[in-house]
Amino acid sequence: AQTVTQSQPEMSVQEAETVTLSCTYDTSESDYYLFWYKQPPSRQMILVIRQEAYKQQNATENRFSVNFQKAAKSFSLKISDSQLGDAAMYFCAYRSAFGEGSQGNLIFGKGTKLSVKP
Amino acid sequence: KAGVTQTPRYLIKTRGQQVTLSCSPISGHRSVSWYQQTPGQGLQFLFEYFSETQRNKGNFPGRFSGRQFSNSRSEMNVSTLELGDSALYLCASSYRTGSSYEQYFGPGTRLTVT
Repeated sequence: AQTVTQSQPEMSVQEAETVTLSCTYDTSESDYYLFWYKQPPSRQMILVIRQEAYKQQNATENRFSVNFQKAAKSFSLKISDSQLGDAAMYFCAYRSAFGEGSQGNLIFGKGTKLSVKP
Repeated sequence: KAGVTQTPRYLIKTRGQQVTLSCSPISGHRSVSWYQQTPGQGLQFLFEYFSETQRNKGNFPGRFSGRQFSNSRSEMNVSTLELGDSALYLCASSYRTGSSYEQYFGPGTRLTVT
C-alpha cells in the first residue's frame, strides 16, 4: 500500500521569504501523480500544484514550485515570496495513475501547518 | 461556475443516531468522492461514485454508506453514530474518473457526535 509522510507538523516563515515543505512517499508503482493541497482556516481544500511521475521536469505555478526526486521518493514544495494569505495547512497527496473508469483515490499525508509572520 | 457545495455545514448528533450528508458536485462533474478528516487520522478516503455506481471504497465499517443520484448529487449516510465519527467530511468532484481529472473539494460538513 502507498503511504505519504510529512515530517514537519508545523513551519513558520517570514513574509516575503522562502519556505520549503517536505514530503516523502512510498510506492512500488512506476506511474502516479503527486499533489500539494492547501487548506486555509475556512476549510476549502485547494489544489496548489500537481506533478506527474513520468515527467522529469519539476512543476511550477507562479510562486509555488516542487522538487520532485523520483528515486528518493521525495516531493517538496517551495513557496517563494511568502504572503500572509499562504498561511494554511498544506497536504501532500498521492494518486495512482489509472485510466478512466478504473479505481483510484487520493492518499494524503498528515499535513504541515504553515504560519506566515508579517 | 458554482463550486462543490455541501449541506449542512455543521451538524450535532447524539451517539446511536444516524446522519445523512449531501454533496452537490460542480455542474457537469460525474464523479464524487468522500473523505473523512480528523486530527488523529488525517484525511481518509471513504468512497467514490461515478454514474450512480460505487467505484471504490476505503477501509471503513459498513455503517458508512453512500449513493449517487442521476443528477450526480451524492449523499453519505452514517448509521449508529459513535463518538469517533466526529470529523470534517469532505466531498470532492471531478469531471470523470481517471487520475488525470482534478478533484475539486467542497467546504465540508463538520459533524459532532455527543
